[in-house]
Amino acid sequence: ELKVEQNPLFLSMQEGKNYTIYCNYSTTSDRLYWYRQDPGKSLESLFVLLSNGAVKQEGRLMASLDTKARLSTLHITAAVHDLSATYFCAVDMSYIRSWGKLQFGAGTQVVVTP
Amino acid sequence: EPEVTQTPSHQVTQMGQEVILRCVPISNHLYFYWYRQILGQKVEFLVSFYNNEISEKSEIFDDQFSVERPDGSNFTLKIRSTKLEDSAMYFCASSGVQHSGANVLTFGAGSRLTVL
Repeated sequence: ELKVEQNPLFLSMQEGKNYTIYCNYSTTSDRLYWYRQDPGKSLESLFVLLSNGAVKQEGRLMASLDTKARLSTLHITAAVHDLSATYFCAVDMSYIRSWGKLQFGAGTQVVVTP
Repeated sequence: EPEVTQTPSHQVTQMGQEVILRCVPISNHLYFYWYRQILGQKVEFLVSFYNNEISEKSEIFDDQFSVERPDGSNFTLKIRSTKLEDSAMYFCASSGVQHSGANVLTFGAGSRLTVL
């Protein structure tokens, strides 16, 4: 069974500093997603990474994918309070690409403090 | 921006009762999904649905669960006889055809099910 492991599970960030969340997965996949979830809310898509070496950036967030190492990272630059949320990585396990069977990591709860 | 709508937002039921959770996916999407998240745990895949049939389902999705698209807009999840361990947040999601090869799911706000 595909395992998706995120670390750390909890991250206390100071505003203005840089941090990285790691997502390791146990089997071959070339489709990895990052989602954000605010407390009591739904999952918001942040990034889709589809190939080895893919890098996507949006604002203070940057995600990358190394399919050979089976590792994705989510880098946060100069953290600000409104980035406080839980971040999930998810790997597509679907037999057919469009079937959307995502295996989620446990999530990283991020709290940004002044 | 188009969104996936779920009802009810919260349902409390007695063990053994039937529950139907409803979803209205984004109108031009073709693929529909149910996921669940037990409190404090990770999000788990239940089922995917395309062209009026189940594409893929997880081990969680046993005979107690069923999905239906009764008309052109709604997508429902039925739990026939609820158990305490069915208490969770249930998320509906939908996706369209992505030329890039991505399959970005848009999730609804969730339906919280509490089984007593």
